[in-house]
Formats: sequence, structure tokens, C-alpha cells
Amino acid sequence: KAGVTQTPRYLIKTRGQQVTLSCSPISGHRSVSWYQQTPGQGLQFLFEYFSETQRNKGNFPGRFSGRQFSNSRSEMNVSTLELGDSALYLCASREGTSGVADTQYFGPGTRLTVL
Amino acid sequence: GNSVTQMEGPVTLSEEAFLTINCTYTATGYPSLFWYVQYPGEGLQLLLKATKADDKGSNKGFEATYRKETTSFHLEKGSVQVSDSAVYFCALSDGGGSNYKLTFGKGTLLTVNP
Repeated sequence: KAGVTQTPRYLIKTRGQQVTLSCSPISGHRSVSWYQQTPGQGLQFLFEYFSETQRNKGNFPGRFSGRQFSNSRSEMNVSTLELGDSALYLCASREGTSGVADTQYFGPGTRLTVL
Repeated sequence: GNSVTQMEGPVTLSEEAFLTINCTYTATGYPSLFWYVQYPGEGLQLLLKATKADDKGSNKGFEATYRKETTSFHLEKGSVQVSDSAVYFCALSDGGGSNYKLTFGKGTLLTVNP
């Protein structure tokens, strides 16, 4: 099976702009999660989508939003970009059927730089 | 809330040395435990997992045992190679169903010299 794919791999934006990141999960996986990775804060959970519904959300401002489509592909949007939003954004998918025993598989990430 | 603490490193070893990266956790309920590895410029790859107490996860010569009594999941490898150089993350999953998420440690940078 193909792994989790993310596009684009690199993005450069300026403060105040908005950005949309895309993620295609492993075939058959119904759950998609997003994480932010920064040198200072490490890996932090943003949100999870399952069957087009947001099921869980981390402690991020409302500028961070997402959605999931009927084919399980997901997009993440960040509006009014700030310098502190510069990070590696990782998408992960899982089958969503085994509770805490589920394994999340990660994509290569999108490196966002805000100038 | 739940948390994961791991030795931050960096850890520098010579090839064929023994590796231990300590990981302890705080969690309610019965989490699953994971080790992920991140190579430069890449995302996270699952290295191994354990889903209940006393389970041992193993892969590519790496091992870790889920110790509920000490709330630990230490990563070990008997003989490291240069290709093992990467950042290693310990993580736990909590909240099955609608509350599932991974909580990560800060990561440990491992450098193996020839």
C-alpha cells in the first residue's frame, strides 16, 4: 500500500496570509490527524478527523482548521499566519478501529516558513 | 494530563555500542506505547509498539518492554550502526475512539560514529 502523502512539501508565506495543506491517508484508513512540530514545543496534536467529522482537537487557536472529504483525504488551513506558525506539519492516518492500540502512520510533512 | 518524559540527549555512540534511551510516562487508563524514529528531512516512522503491560515490542534489533509498575518504556539496541543515527521519539496513545491522540516526548538525537 502507498503511504501517507502530503502536499506541498515546502511552503513559504508572509505574515497575514493563509495557507492550505493537503494530506492523503493510507488506503482504507478513515482517520486523519494533524500534528505541528517545532524545535521549541516539539510535536503537538492539532486535530483528528474521522469519517468527515472532527473528533478531537488540541489546544490551538481557531486560526487552525481542517476538514476531511468523503475519500478520507484531509486539508488543514491556517489563516492570518504568524511568524510562530513556522513549523513542520505532519499528517498521520490510522484505521480507526482498534482504539488506543491503533497505530498512526505519518507522512513526510509540509515545511511551512512564515516570513 | 498525560505526559511522556525521555532523555533529551544528544547521545553520541560508537558503532557496535549498546544503546539505551529512557522513557517514562504519566497516563490515566491503559495507553499503548510507541517508539517512532525521524531521519533528517523526513516524517516519523514507527519503530515498535506495545499495547499492554509486559508486552515487548521489537523491530530491526531495537526492543522496548512496557513496564506498568515503573511506568517506563525504555528503548534498547545491542549494537548500533551508523545508519541508526536519527531522532527517536517515545509516545503514548490515549483516549480510544473519539479522543485518540498521540502524546510525544521531546525526542532524543542519536549520533553513531564509525
